[in-house]
Order: sequence, then structure tokens, then C-alpha cells
Amino acid sequence: AQSVAQPEDQVNVAEGNPLTVKCTYSVSGNPYLFWYVQYPNRGLQFLLKYITGDNLVKGSYGFEAEFNKSQTSFHLKKPSALVSDSALYFCAVSYLSGGYQKVTFGTGTKLQVIP
Amino acid sequence: ETGVTQTPRHLVMGMTNKKSLKCEQHLGHNAMYWYKQSAKKPLELMFVYSLEERVENNSVPSRFSPECPNSSHLFLHLHTLQPEDSALYLCASSSRGRGLQETQYFGPGTRLLVL
Repeated sequence: AQSVAQPEDQVNVAEGNPLTVKCTYSVSGNPYLFWYVQYPNRGLQFLLKYITGDNLVKGSYGFEAEFNKSQTSFHLKKPSALVSDSALYFCAVSYLSGGYQKVTFGTGTKLQVIP
Repeated sequence: ETGVTQTPRHLVMGMTNKKSLKCEQHLGHNAMYWYKQSAKKPLELMFVYSLEERVENNSVPSRFSPECPNSSHLFLHLHTLQPEDSALYLCASSSRGRGLQETQYFGPGTRLLVL
């Protein structure tokens, strides 16, 4: 089965410091991986995705993610955290079932950026 | 978030009521999804429609009844719900629903409370 794991329920980081939100995956075949962000009382917003090619993927709002095949990881990173980055972050993996795309989401990591 | 809209944003209903959730996408997509987001649980895929045909019913109780009259609109009809059905219901859409690389775009959600 395709799955992702987010080992941290919450990550705290000081404003201006680099941040990392961790994600590991388990898939059969090539992984198609996504990061989404959810602000309070809002839906999920797409940040970035890995399909193939360069292991460093750049996305919205200055976020990037590093794909590491040997460690089966896809960690989300940002060089300098902003208070406005405080939100819930979801890692996800895409797979096909019956010819249609399905997406499995992680349990989410709450990012708290401290002023 | 104007790409996918959902109404109402908040809904309180009794267990004997009948109500409907509405989702509309303005992205020209052909696949639409309903997800349930409960506290401390991963997003649960409920239904998938591709070209107005239901292609997934993820073991959802019959008190939830989806309807997709065209590729831009998706409804979730609710009747005789239980308090444990209280959650955030998210609608999403994607291009065709058949590609691993497709990005799903989410609406803001309907916060449902069942009394």
C-alpha cells in the first residue's frame, strides 16, 4: 500500500531560522509526492510536488522540498521562517487505483513559528 | 481560493435533518472529490467522480449521497447523520483524475456540526 508518514505532530521554530518538516514515504514503483498547507478554517493549498528529475523541488512562498530516494524521504524546507508560515502541513503520495488517481495524505504537522 | 468554492461554509444540523453541501470548480477540471477531515485523523477520501461518473465510493455510509450533475458541480446530500459525522468536508478537483502527476485543488471546506 502507498503511504506517507509525518513523524512530528508539531514543529516549533523561531522566526528567521530555517525550518524542516519531515515526511517519509512507502510506495511501490516511482513516487509522486506532494506538499500541501492548511491555514485555520481553510482548505488545503498546494505547495509543490515531486514527479521526477531534480531532487530539489521549489514551490510556493519560498518553500522547497528535498527528495531522497535512499532514505525514502521528502522533507519540506524553508531557509528563513516567517510567522505567517504557521499552519498545518500535509505530505501526500499519489497512486493509481483502477486506472484513477488516488492520493493518500499524512496526518499533518503543525508548524509554529515563534516571533 | 476562488478556483474551488464550497457552500455553506458552516452547517449545524440535527440528526433527523436533510441538507446538502455544494461544491463548484472554475478550473475546467474533469475530476472531483469529497474528503472528510476529522480532528487527529488523516484526510479520508469519500467519493471520486471522473467525467461525472462515480469511480470510487470508499465504503462511505449510505447516509452520505453524492451527486455530480456536470463536471463543474458536486453535491453531497446528507440525511440522518450521526454526531460522529461532525467534521470538515473538503471538495477538490483535478484535471482528469487519471494521472499520477495531477494536482488536486481544494475548496475551503464546509464545517459540519451534527447535534
